[in-house]
Amino acid sequence: AQTVTQSQPEMSVQEAETVTLSCTYDTSESDYYLFWYKQPPSRQMILVIRQEAYKQQNATENRFSVNFQKAAKSFSLKISDSQLGDAAMYFCAASGAAGNKLTFGGGTRVLVKP
Amino acid sequence: DTAVSQTPKYLVTQMGNDKSIKCEQNLGHDTMYWYKQDSKKFLKIMFSYNNKELIINETVPNRFSPKSPDKAHLNLHINSLELGDSAVYFCASSPPREQGVEQYFGPGTRLTVT
Repeated sequence: AQTVTQSQPEMSVQEAETVTLSCTYDTSESDYYLFWYKQPPSRQMILVIRQEAYKQQNATENRFSVNFQKAAKSFSLKISDSQLGDAAMYFCAASGAAGNKLTFGGGTRVLVKP
Repeated sequence: DTAVSQTPKYLVTQMGNDKSIKCEQNLGHDTMYWYKQDSKKFLKIMFSYNNKELIINETVPNRFSPKSPDKAHLNLHINSLELGDSAVYFCASSPPREQGVEQYFGPGTRLTVT
């Protein structure tokens, strides 16, 4: 069984600045995957970044990077040089090694101020 | 060329009615899912099918019946609709495990039960 917790219901960031979203998780599996999904007002779920638990190196995708702390079961997302188009709900999610089920956190709404 | 498509995008109906939501993916994936997003934006897995076989059923009421006629389609039929069924329903798909674990989501179907 897995649980995912996002403790920040909402975060606000000035355009061009950096914001970090927190996520903690719990799992009984030794091999698992972690994801961040973005849901803009269009409600489409868009994969932002993924991290394999067996990899120590933190994943990066352009302006998005993660800080994966396996021992602490923490998986935060950093958005650098924030843009207006980054405004959305962000969901942290986990899946087991089989990858057949995503468990989501409650989401963090990101507001970007011009 | 939409990867995962759902119809309809919006569905308004009365309590007690029966309705279906259709999902199709043209990605060649072999696993498909239904997720429910409630009014608080919380996302939860409902069902998962692999090669037309049910592999996950997350204690969903019997009024919900998924049907997978082939690998590219996973439809959701809901009997005797209740007010609490109002939500956004997302279909998703993922490739065979050796090709990755990312799940690709459809645009969602907003179901409103009055």
